[in-house]
Amino acid sequence: AQKVTQAQTEISVVEKEDVTLDCVYETRDTTYYLFWYKQPPSGELVFLIRRNSFDEQNEISGRYSWNFQKSTSSFNFTITASQVVDSAVYFCALPNNAGNMLTFGGGTRLMVKP
Amino acid sequence: NAGVMQNPRHLVRRRGQEARLRCSPMKGHSHVYWYRQLPEEGLKFMVYLQKENIIDESGMPKERFSAEFPKEGPSILRIQQVVRGDSAAYFCASSPPMWAAQENEQFFGPGTRLTVL
Repeated sequence: AQKVTQAQTEISVVEKEDVTLDCVYETRDTTYYLFWYKQPPSGELVFLIRRNSFDEQNEISGRYSWNFQKSTSSFNFTITASQVVDSAVYFCALPNNAGNMLTFGGGTRLMVKP
Repeated sequence: NAGVMQNPRHLVRRRGQEARLRCSPMKGHSHVYWYRQLPEEGLKFMVYLQKENIIDESGMPKERFSAEFPKEGPSILRIQQVVRGDSAAYFCASSPPMWAAQENEQFFGPGTRLTVL
């Protein structure tokens, strides 16, 4: 069975601080994808990134970066110089091998204070 | 190309009433997924449908919940005799046919927030 764990339920930072959101996963699949989604206060799900297990290179997109470590089954997400607009709940997710079911972590609520 | 549409966005029902949630997938997508998000929790898979077929309903409660994706029209998630515990956000996602799918991607709608009084 697949499992995604986001141990940090809530993080509070002050604007311009860097913050890392942890994600640890369990899967028996040898190849797989991992996702991060953002859920702002308005409630919709915003796709952030998709990574495959073949590629362990870190990914950077503006202030966002992702660190994928297959050896520790982790896919952590870092926001550099956080802003108030980054305040949201962030979810890490793992699809099953057939791709017909996403297993979500419990989410991390990030609060960025001015 | 319009995204996944869900309506209504907000739905209020009294205990014992029926709730019908609609999802129109993206154009060209033939696969629909429903997820439920209870307050302060992550999303949980409910059901996966293709046109006129339920493929995987392993996440659906055994009673009162049903889903369909007819040949024509939107996918419907139906909850009969709602109870307070059904209050949640219900998200629909869609994906293209598996042969055309890229990297297991699912596109999410904005969700329907159901409140049971």
